[in-house]
Amino acid sequence: GAGVSQSPRYKVAKRGQDVALRCDPISGHVSLFWYQQALGQGPEFLTYFQNEAQLDKSGLPSDRFFAERPEGSVSTLKIQRTQQEDSAVYLCASSPALAGVNEQFFGPGTRLTVL
Amino acid sequence: GENVEQHPSTLSVQEGDSAVIKCTYSDSASNYFPWYKQELGKRPQLIIDIRSNVGEKKDQRIAVTLNKTAKHFSLHITETQPEDSAVYFCAALSSGSARQLTFGSGTQLTVLP
Repeated sequence: GAGVSQSPRYKVAKRGQDVALRCDPISGHVSLFWYQQALGQGPEFLTYFQNEAQLDKSGLPSDRFFAERPEGSVSTLKIQRTQQEDSAVYLCASSPALAGVNEQFFGPGTRLTVL
Repeated sequence: GENVEQHPSTLSVQEGDSAVIKCTYSDSASNYFPWYKQELGKRPQLIIDIRSNVGEKKDQRIAVTLNKTAKHFSLHITETQPEDSAVYFCAALSSGSARQLTFGSGTQLTVLP
């Protein structure tokens, strides 16, 4: 079956522009996560959804970052007024809600470059 | 919150030798420890995981060990092959309401032919 998909795969933005990154999780997966991966680093947690509810947004670095999952499936991460320090790969992951199943399945990521 | 430290940051081995990567975690409530392999420009792929009620798990050439008392876990790859070359990340998942993984900083493994 289809895995997690993300679009666009690459995004170049001028400083100050707004960007929107899309994640299509595996069908039926209840949990959805966004991570930020800087070059040469491990992914760092941004936010977590269970269905349409955003249960944890403690990792969002500033109020310029906003995420939504209005119908409990597709999610969008929006970054307003992008800054150079926002340049990173943004990874989305989904996980089923089955008890005892913790595995998170990652998408290919969106590489954001802010000039 | 959870803190995961991973070492070494780079590791070179000869083809056929074994490779060991070690991680420590800080939150004693963490109960799930996956290892991901990430090739350049690709998504992280789960290669093996272990839960806190198990001390060791093996899958062909890959094994993971967990020491809950010391709060550390290790990845062991035997009979390494050039296609094992990649960045490996360990991670920990807390048992509380937070569901996010906390990752180590990664190990660049190079298997020399």
